[in-house]
Amino acid sequence: SQQGEEDPQALSIQEGENATMNCSYKTSINNLQWYRQNSGRGLVHLILIRSNEREKHSGRLRVTLDTSKKSSSLLITASRAADTASYFCATGHSGGSNYKLTFGKGTLLTVNP
Amino acid sequence: DGGITQSPKYLFRKEGQNVTLSCEQNLNHDAMYWYRQDPGQGLRLIYYSQIVNDFQKGDIAEGYSVSREKKESFPLTVTSAQKNPTAFYLCASSGGTGAYNEQFFGPGTRLTVL
Repeated sequence: SQQGEEDPQALSIQEGENATMNCSYKTSINNLQWYRQNSGRGLVHLILIRSNEREKHSGRLRVTLDTSKKSSSLLITASRAADTASYFCATGHSGGSNYKLTFGKGTLLTVNP
Repeated sequence: DGGITQSPKYLFRKEGQNVTLSCEQNLNHDAMYWYRQDPGQGLRLIYYSQIVNDFQKGDIAEGYSVSREKKESFPLTVTSAQKNPTAFYLCASSGGTGAYNEQFFGPGTRLTVL
């Protein structure tokens, strides 16, 4: 089952604008991760935020996590055409000795030059 | 160069055939994963392995099989029992089985059933 749900499904902006993508999930998590996928390629890890953290930054990326609302957001500032890709959130769960990530369906971001 | 390699990049299969997708990593990671991605969809977990000679079913294991005889390798076999195997298959690894591990992905194999 897919835990994370990204919103919107698709987002089109102009270069230089900020892009915000949201992720909601249903059950408690240990961490939430954001990944990027260029068309036809593998996923690249962007950032990991733990359940006891509220905000994290990495370069032009800002991630927030609200565990009370079971939601996260990814903000890309000053977007570039090269940011065009699909962005996925993935929630980390652990139970016993098992650990796995559950991915959402992604947000397709298009940055127009 | 450290990373994960998958081969082949494209694979064509006739109905009723088994095919094996290769995944190799030189990151010295204990855990490895196989995912399936359909168009416009997220990733669904097929199998994962936390350590050599051990693996667990994911959410959609039916019609697939795996082995983990070496730390570096986690091949996936798509059997004839998988009714709709056409998809993009992604292999990943992570450094541990704790709660806070990012996954590193290979470039993927696109499987098409003719």
